[in-house]
Amino acid sequence: ILNVEQSPQSLHVQEGDSTNFTCSFPSSNFYALHWYRWETAKSPEALFVMTLNGDEKKKGRISATLNTKEGYSYLYIKGSQPEDSATYLCAFIGYDSTLTFGKGTMLLVSP
Amino acid sequence: GAGVSQSPSNKVTEKGKDVELRCDPISGHTALYWYRQSLGQGLEFLIYFQGNSAPDKSGLPSDRFSAERTGGSVSTLTIQRTQQEDSAVYLCASSHPQTGGTEAFFGQGTRLTVV
Repeated sequence: ILNVEQSPQSLHVQEGDSTNFTCSFPSSNFYALHWYRWETAKSPEALFVMTLNGDEKKKGRISATLNTKEGYSYLYIKGSQPEDSATYLCAFIGYDSTLTFGKGTMLLVSP
Repeated sequence: GAGVSQSPSNKVTEKGKDVELRCDPISGHTALYWYRQSLGQGLEFLIYFQGNSAPDKSGLPSDRFSAERTGGSVSTLTIQRTQQEDSAVYLCASSHPQTGGTEAFFGQGTRLTVV
C-alpha cells in the first residue's frame, strides 16, 4: 500500500470562507491524481483527473493544482457554501494502474 | 446496470452473526476495490481485485473478513462473527485500468450496523 496522505482530516468553516486541503503522494511512479467529492448518502464522484505537473483544473468555485515533482496536490474552495460539505478524497494512480486513496478530508460548512 | 451496484443498501445484524455484502461492478471493469468508513473516521482500504485475483489484501482488518470475486465480475465481502466495531459504510469501486488515469466509479455503499 502506497502512502497517500490527506490533511487536514476534518475542517469546519463558515459560509463564505475560502479553504484548501492537501493531498501528498509518492513522487515516483506517478501516472495520475484524482479528486473525488463524497456527499453524505451518495456515491463518491470524480471532481478532477490530473496528469501533468503544473496542471491546474477548475470547476466553478473549486480548483486544484498538481506538483508531481514534490508529490502534492491542493484542492481549493473559494467562498464555501453549505452544499460544499462533503468528504474530499484524492487518489494516486501509478504506472501499474492501481488506485490508492487517501483517507479523505471531511469538510463542514456552516451557514 | 450502468453503474456500480451494491446490496444490501442497509444491513442491521446482531453481534456474532455472519454477513455478506455484494458488489456488482460496471461491466468490463477489471479492477475492483473495497473500502469502509466508520463513523467519524477516514476512508479505509480493505482489498483490491484485479480480475479474480486479489494482489492486495493488506487492508482486511482481521481473519473474520474475507472477499472473493468470481468471473471477473461480482464480488462478495463476508464478515464472520460480526462485532460492533465492524459497523461502517462499506464502499465498492471499480475501474478499467487499461490506459491509466481512469476514474473509479463507486457504488452507493452498504451501511452495516452491528447491534
